[in-house]
Amino acid sequence: EVQLLESGGGLVQPGESLRLSCAASGFTFSDYAMRWLRQTPGKGLEWVSSISGRDGRTYYADSVKGRFTISRDISKNTLYLQMNSLRAEDTATYYCAKVLTAMSGASDFWGQGTLVTVSS
Amino acid sequence: ETLLTQSPGTLSLSPGERATLSCRASQSIRNNYLAWYQQKPGQAPRFLLDGASSRATGIPDRFSGSGSGTDFTLTINRLEPEDFAVYYCHQYGNSPQTFGQGTKVEI
Repeated sequence: EVQLLESGGGLVQPGESLRLSCAASGFTFSDYAMRWLRQTPGKGLEWVSSISGRDGRTYYADSVKGRFTISRDISKNTLYLQMNSLRAEDTATYYCAKVLTAMSGASDFWGQGTLVTVSS
Repeated sequence: ETLLTQSPGTLSLSPGERATLSCRASQSIRNNYLAWYQQKPGQAPRFLLDGASSRATGIPDRFSGSGSGTDFTLTINRLEPEDFAVYYCHQYGNSPQTFGQGTKVEI
C-alpha cells in the first residue's frame, strides 16, 4: 500500500525558512517522479516543484524558483522541500504526491498535507 | 500558462442523478494529458481519471471522462452519497502544469 506522510509544516515569519519532509512507502521510491503541490482557499491547487525519478532532475514553478529546493534521499525514501525567504503568499497546505508513471503526469497518490503559515 | 476553467462552480443534484462537469483549457493540451481528482473536506485530492478517460485503480465505472484538445468532461452516472465532493481537473501536457478551480457537487 502506497503511503506518503508529510511533516515539517508550521508557523513562521516572513523571510524565514522551513523544510518539509515526505516519507514514502509501498513503492520503489527511486523509480518514480515526485512532486510538491499546495492548496489555498483563494488560489486553489498549485503545482510547486517536481523531481524526476530516473535522474533526479528538478523543476519549479516560477513563483518559488530561487527560493525553494526540492530534493530526495533515496536511502530514506524521503522527499524534501526546503523553503527559504518565505512570503505571506506561500501560506498553504502543502502536499507531496507520487507521479503515476514516466508517461503520465497524473498524481496517483497524495499525502495528507501539512499546513504552512507565513505571518508576522 | 494554460488556464483551466471548470463549470459549473456548483452542481446541485440528488443521489441517482447524473453529474456532468466541464473543464475548458485556454489552449490545446498536449496529448490530452488531463486528469481528474475528487476532494472531500479535510482530505487530500483522490486520483480518479488519467489521460482524460482512463479510470484509476479502484474507481467505479460510474465515473467516466471524455474530451480532447481544449474541452474535457467528467461524467458521474447514478450519483452515490459518497460522490458529493469537489472535483478538479489537472493538465500536465503543457508547462507549467495547472489545475482548474474546482466544481462542487452538492446535494
